[in-house]
Amino acid sequence: GAVVSQHPSRVICKSGTSVKIECRSLDFQATTMFWYRQFPKQSLMLMATSNEGSKATYEQGVEKDKFLINHASLTLSTLTVTSAHPEDSSFYICSATSGGGGQETQYFGPGTRLLVL
Amino acid sequence: DAKTTQPPSMDCAEGRAANLPCNHSTISGNEYVYWYRQIHSQGPQYIIHGLKNNETNEMASLIITEDRKSSTLILPHATLRDTAVYYCIVRVAGTASKLTFGTGTRLQVTL
Repeated sequence: GAVVSQHPSRVICKSGTSVKIECRSLDFQATTMFWYRQFPKQSLMLMATSNEGSKATYEQGVEKDKFLINHASLTLSTLTVTSAHPEDSSFYICSATSGGGGQETQYFGPGTRLLVL
Repeated sequence: DAKTTQPPSMDCAEGRAANLPCNHSTISGNEYVYWYRQIHSQGPQYIIHGLKNNETNEMASLIITEDRKSSTLILPHATLRDTAVYYCIVRVAGTASKLTFGTGTRLQVTL
């Protein structure tokens, strides 16, 4: 299957700082990537859809100025959490879509655990 | 996307088949059934998907009823490493089509 990587795998930062998370599709190109967030004992919640070469589409309730998404190439999307606060501590997971013709499948990265102190 | 209903938890003995059910009674004709699983503290792993025919791959089999209102994921010989939360999701085709995760079924495989 297709491989998606994320970097870093975990990060600890101070409140008020910004954190950048990278998501890469290693063996395929992805015009669309997705960013999810997962709090403890909860399911994944979609934050935004990242579109190569255009602006991201954010889900209702997600602040686009706080969670900056850049999809500059067909293999890389970045999520920047700006002015992070303790309530932003969470497990952030990206995915990328491979395939076509009705066989599109989202493959997920291993996730990035963010802890804001 | 159509909503799915899964039991919150199931147990299975190692070596036995694990049969995980999913109801999707409001599924539309152009929606596929996808199964993912998430092992603790990892990203979700794709397992299998189908439209109306039964599907099988190296990981599992997917049985979809003729009316497409329900499906069953079958892990033929469960191992301890199959302990995870399993998500059944219905989704239309398309690269920009979203996945909406429900609460899934927590499968516990025991010795």
